[in-house]
Amino acid sequence: KNQVEQSPQSLIILEGKNCTLQCNYTVSPFSNLRWYKQDTGRGPVSLTIMTFSENTKSNGRYTATLDADTKQSSLHITASQLSDSASYICVVSRNTGFQKLVFGTGTRLLVSP
Amino acid sequence: GAGVSQSPSNKVTEKGKDVELRCDPISGHTALYWYRQSLGQGLEFLIYFQGNSAPDKSGLPSDRFSAERTGGSVSTLTIQRTQQEDSAVYLCASSLVGSGGSSNEQFFGPGTRLTVL
Repeated sequence: KNQVEQSPQSLIILEGKNCTLQCNYTVSPFSNLRWYKQDTGRGPVSLTIMTFSENTKSNGRYTATLDADTKQSSLHITASQLSDSASYICVVSRNTGFQKLVFGTGTRLLVSP
Repeated sequence: GAGVSQSPSNKVTEKGKDVELRCDPISGHTALYWYRQSLGQGLEFLIYFQGNSAPDKSGLPSDRFSAERTGGSVSTLTIQRTQQEDSAVYLCASSLVGSGGSSNEQFFGPGTRLTVL
């Protein structure tokens, strides 16, 4: 079954601290893996996209890693800011002729002052 | 407009009523997707439109759900005889093309929050 699991479900950190979010997937055929940020009441916004051959991708203070062998990905946030408070969703795209996305349930991050 | 827009932003309806949700994709995007996000659940694929091709309806949960896309642009998702379990946020996304590949990023609208009483 095509699934994407994320941990932790929720996380509270102090402003300025780092954190790492985890994603495991059992999706095939694999096309690419994306991390999205979803602010409350808004649609998801793409942070990074990685294909099978890419191990790491950065976008400012966000760094995503991908281990295609173990089917695991992580999103590391450095020097967190209050505006980082949001849900972070791991999404795997299946290579089925069109990019059918399988979504994780997300990690809800709260950055506290 | 600059991004994907959806209307209404919120919709409250009574059980058994029909509702229509609207999506305006980014101009020039040929692919359009509808998703449903229930409380505590990941986004669930509903339907996909690509140009003038027949839509992929494989994600629609029942025959009460239907969608159309007129003129290859605006799309309407219709839910007939709404049930309480239809309560969710309905998100629309569009991409330049629909074929697989890391360059075909999907851009999401803000969603319509549907509440069925």
